[in-house]
Amino acid sequence: GNSVTQMEGPVTLSEEAFLTINCTYTATGYPSLFWYVQYPGEGLQLLLKATKADDKGSNKGFEATYRKETTSFHLEKGSVQVSDSAVYFCALRKEGGKLIFGQGTELSVKP
Amino acid sequence: NAGVTQTPKFQVLKTGQSMTLQCAQDMNHEYMSWYRQDPGMGLRLIHYSVGAGITDQGEVPNGYNVSRSTTEDFPLRLLSAAPSQTSVYFCASSPFPVSTNEKLFFGSGTQLSVL
Repeated sequence: GNSVTQMEGPVTLSEEAFLTINCTYTATGYPSLFWYVQYPGEGLQLLLKATKADDKGSNKGFEATYRKETTSFHLEKGSVQVSDSAVYFCALRKEGGKLIFGQGTELSVKP
Repeated sequence: NAGVTQTPKFQVLKTGQSMTLQCAQDMNHEYMSWYRQDPGMGLRLIHYSVGAGITDQGEVPNGYNVSRSTTEDFPLRLLSAAPSQTSVYFCASSPFPVSTNEKLFFGSGTQLSVL
């Protein structure tokens, strides 16, 4: 079946550190891949997406590249800020609409 | 812009009580869904709907009922609450038919505790 696996958190970094959150997926066909972010006390919101192999999604300094050969969609940011503290979810979506989430990775950025 | 509105934000129930979590969207989205969020398990799909009068089960449907009488509303009913249903519940919507690159719009969540 379809599934998404993320690295476990929490991840704690100092401000301006480099961030990588690993995400791998299992799916038949060609799903679209997403990163959603959940700030404290809020619902999820889309951070970035990629719809086909080798696409790079980017937003707010975050990037992720759709790697079909390694079935991965790792999230990266060159210099994190305290305001990036949140829970990050990797997800895939296939025909029919269902969005399948990973378990989420909590990021805490210290000043 | 209201988007997806969930009520209530917080609720405490006793085991065996029933209640309805409300979800409404004003974007004319055909697709609506309910997720529950539990620590270490991410979001799991409970039920979803692709239009008025059409509902289907997700990954964890047991203990929950839904109906979709209008495009705007998609209530989630707990008929007899159990402690295992303590969770944060999110409603989400998107246009349909869904292209795979369509994002979901999420409500702000309902935190439910069952004692």
